[in-house]
Amino acid sequence: EDQVTQSPEALRLQEGESSSLNCSYTVSGLRGLFWYRQDPGKGPEFLFTLYSAGEEKEKERLKATLTKKESFLHITAPKPEDSATYLCAVRNSGNTPLVFGKGTRLSVIA
Amino acid sequence: GAVVSQHPSWVICKSGTSVKIECRSLDFQATTMFWYRQFPKQSLMLMATSNEGSKATYEQGVEKDKFLINHASLTLSTLTVTSAHPEDSSFYICSADLSSSYEQYFGPGTRLTVT
Repeated sequence: EDQVTQSPEALRLQEGESSSLNCSYTVSGLRGLFWYRQDPGKGPEFLFTLYSAGEEKEKERLKATLTKKESFLHITAPKPEDSATYLCAVRNSGNTPLVFGKGTRLSVIA
Repeated sequence: GAVVSQHPSWVICKSGTSVKIECRSLDFQATTMFWYRQFPKQSLMLMATSNEGSKATYEQGVEKDKFLINHASLTLSTLTVTSAHPEDSSFYICSADLSSSYEQYFGPGTRLTVT
């Protein structure tokens, strides 16, 4: 059974304090690992797709990396507007649903 | 690109009535769409997988007669909550598959309140 575990559950950072969120996964035949951002009362917003170990993607202050067992979402010099829940999900074949982790609630304090 | 819309964004209805929620992929065609439910401070719970032109596949524990799903075209899926009760009050989110990349894009969600 495919599984995704995210840690920590919650993270509180000072503005400018860089950190990383972890996503550990087990999946039979990884088709893709996905990161989303979700703000309260909104649907998840797509951030990144990673397809194979060693791949990295960047967007503004965010950088996602992938190994064969886990993915990291690195946040460099975060700002208060980066506060949100970050969701990690995996997919094992074309039409199967995403398997989500429970998310990491990030709070960035000015 | 890859924009998904939902309508309405919020709805209040009386117990016993039915409510329809629309999910549209605006700039791509989606063979497969998904419906989720989310309770406060909890993760997404998959309700059903909707394939264009065929019957939806429901997750265990989801009543197919209560949550009717129709995926009539490559850009539109609808979720109808029939005979709604207060316990059906929740945040409903749809998503659509971008088939070429396995990526899935989400709508903004619909807040349903049943009084």
